[in-house]
Amino acid sequence: AQSVSQHNHHVILSEAASLELGCNYSYGGTVNLFWYVQYPGQHLQLLLKYFSGDPLVKGIKGFEAEFIKSKFSFNLRKPSVQWSDTAEYFCAVINQAGTALIFGKGTTLSVSS
Amino acid sequence: GAVVSQHPSRVICKSGTSVKIECRSLDFQATTMFWYRQFPKQSLMLMATSNEGSKATYEQGVEKDKFLINHASLTLSTLTVTSAHPEDSSFYICSARGTPNEQFFGPGTRLTVL
Repeated sequence: AQSVSQHNHHVILSEAASLELGCNYSYGGTVNLFWYVQYPGQHLQLLLKYFSGDPLVKGIKGFEAEFIKSKFSFNLRKPSVQWSDTAEYFCAVINQAGTALIFGKGTTLSVSS
Repeated sequence: GAVVSQHPSRVICKSGTSVKIECRSLDFQATTMFWYRQFPKQSLMLMATSNEGSKATYEQGVEKDKFLINHASLTLSTLTVTSAHPEDSSFYICSARGTPNEQFFGPGTRLTVL
């Protein structure tokens, strides 16, 4: 069965530090990949997505992710985090049937000012 | 962007009662909606896929008689937790499919069963 793994459960950074959150998926075929963010008390919001084309995807709020097919990875990056980036981050992949999202367990990012 | 609402945002009920949660797509029509369950510090687990005008498709291990899903219109899907028990306490999140393969999420409903 398809699965998504996120390596970091909780990441703590100071403002202006660089961020990289790991995400690996198990499915070897065509993949549609997503990163979602959930700010405290708010609903899930789409940060960025990859369907095809340029493997380096730019999202909102300065986030980007790189799809590396050979590594089955889709890591999220941001060169300089802000306190307002404190949130839960979820990596997800569309299932083989193309009908629903499979989520990773999430990474809690805490940014101190 | 597309907006999805859920009602109620929080509900507390007694064990044995049934609770209905509504999910609405406010500014777009959604032939497909999804219901997820999120446990504390864990990921979202897909419970079922709700298709307008037809029966929902449940994921393995989800009791269809316990979690009744109705998708009667293109903007509304409901999840009814029947005969709720404390182990059903959780955060239930719905999403609606807008553009192909993009889902928009509701704010979630916190269910507490006493």
